[in-house]
Amino acid sequence: AQKVTQAQTEISVVEKEDVTLDCVYETRDTTYYLFWYKQPPSGELVFLIRRNSFDEQNEISGRYSWNFQKSTSSFNFTITASQVVDSAVYFCALAKLLGGSYIPTFGRGTSLIVHP
Amino acid sequence: DAGVTQSPTHLIKTRGQQVTLRCSPKSGHDTVSWYQQALGQGPQFIFQYYEEEERQRGNFPDRFSGHQFPNYSSELNVNALLLGDSALYLCASSWPQATDTQYFGPGTRLTVL
Repeated sequence: AQKVTQAQTEISVVEKEDVTLDCVYETRDTTYYLFWYKQPPSGELVFLIRRNSFDEQNEISGRYSWNFQKSTSSFNFTITASQVVDSAVYFCALAKLLGGSYIPTFGRGTSLIVHP
Repeated sequence: DAGVTQSPTHLIKTRGQQVTLRCSPKSGHDTVSWYQQALGQGPQFIFQYYEEEERQRGNFPDRFSGHQFPNYSSELNVNALLLGDSALYLCASSWPQATDTQYFGPGTRLTVL
């Protein structure tokens, strides 16, 4: 069975601080995808990044960076110099191939509050 | 290019009633998935439709059913509503043979009283 754990329920920071959101996953599959989504108060899940299980290269996109480590089954997300607009709930997800389709399992999310 | 759209935005029903939620996928997408997101939780997969058939189903009772139309739009039906069905229902669509990346709609907030 697949499982995604986001141990941090809520994180509160002051603007311009760096913040790391943790994600630990469990799976027996060798091929899978990992995702991060952002959910602002409007409710729509916004796709941030996808990483397949064979690509452990870290990635940086502007103020966002992701650290994927298969050895520890972690896929952590760091926001550098946080801004108020980063306030949202962030979800980590793990997708496995099932019957020809990728079906994601989501963590419970981490609520990030950035204070001005 | 319109993204995934859902209707209605909000809905209030009473226990025992039936509800239908609607979803139009992003242009070019033929696969539609539905998720239930309870307050404070991550989305949970309900089912996925492709070529007008249910391709995969999560751990939800038969009270939850769906349909996909020839234009790829989809409906989620829930019968005999329970208080516990109160949640945000999200629809997601994806390109053919690329279900690893799904695009989500804004959701329908269902409240069951």
